[in-house]
Amino acid sequence: DSGVTQTPKHLITATGQRVTLRCSPRSGDLSVYWYQQSLDQGLQFLIQYYNGEERAKGNILERFSAQQFPDLHSELNLSSLELGDSALYFCASSVAGRVTDTQYFGPGTRLTVL
Amino acid sequence: AQSVTQLDSHVSVSEGTPVLLRCNYSSSYSPSLFWYVQHPNKGLQLLLKYTSAATLVKGINGFEAEFKKSETSFHLTKPSAHMSDAAEYFCVVSDDYQLIWGAGTKLIIKP
Repeated sequence: DSGVTQTPKHLITATGQRVTLRCSPRSGDLSVYWYQQSLDQGLQFLIQYYNGEERAKGNILERFSAQQFPDLHSELNLSSLELGDSALYFCASSVAGRVTDTQYFGPGTRLTVL
Repeated sequence: AQSVTQLDSHVSVSEGTPVLLRCNYSSSYSPSLFWYVQHPNKGLQLLLKYTSAATLVKGINGFEAEFKKSETSFHLTKPSAHMSDAAEYFCVVSDDYQLIWGAGTKLIIKP
C-alpha cells in the first residue's frame, strides 16, 4: 500500500458528461501528479501541483482541469467526456515535487465512457 | 527532448532463469532514469532510480540496472526470476519538469 488513495475505483458515465476524480496524497507529501494510462497512448503526465499551486503541465486537454486544496488533496475534473477519454487515471504524490523525487502511486480510477 | 524506448513489448522467461528488460534513452543532458513496475490491477511502484551517482543501481526485489552513457542504455536485470515478478515494467526518463514513460514491457514467467 503506497499511502495514496483515489476515489472512486471505477466510474462509468456517458459521453458529454462531467466527472470528478479525487486523490489524497501520502501523509507529508506536498506534491500531487495526475496521469492518464490508455492502451493507445500509454502513460501520459497530465498535471502537477505543489502545495496548492500548479507546478507543471503536460498533455492535459482543455476539457480537463485540476486543483489541489489546502488540505493537499486533489481533484481532477473531466468535462464534455468523449469515448476516447476512457482510461485509467492515476494520482501520485511526492515529498517536494522535484522531478527526481520518488513518486508514490495510488491504485487508480478506471473511467469508462459509453 | 528526452525520450525512452523499451526494446521488447513482451519478455518470457522460465522461473529461476535470469531476466533482462532492455531500455534505451535519448537525452540532451545527463538524465535521471527510473524503472517502475505495475502488477495486474495495481498501481505503479518504483523499483529503482539513477540520479547521477553510482552507475550500477540496486532496487527492490533483487532487481538492478546499469546506466551506460556510451550506449544510452539502462537495462533492468534480475539473476533469478520468480513467479511474483510477472508484471509490466516501465522505463522512465526525467525531462525538465516531468517524467517521460516508455511503452512498457510485459514480463511473463513460465513455471
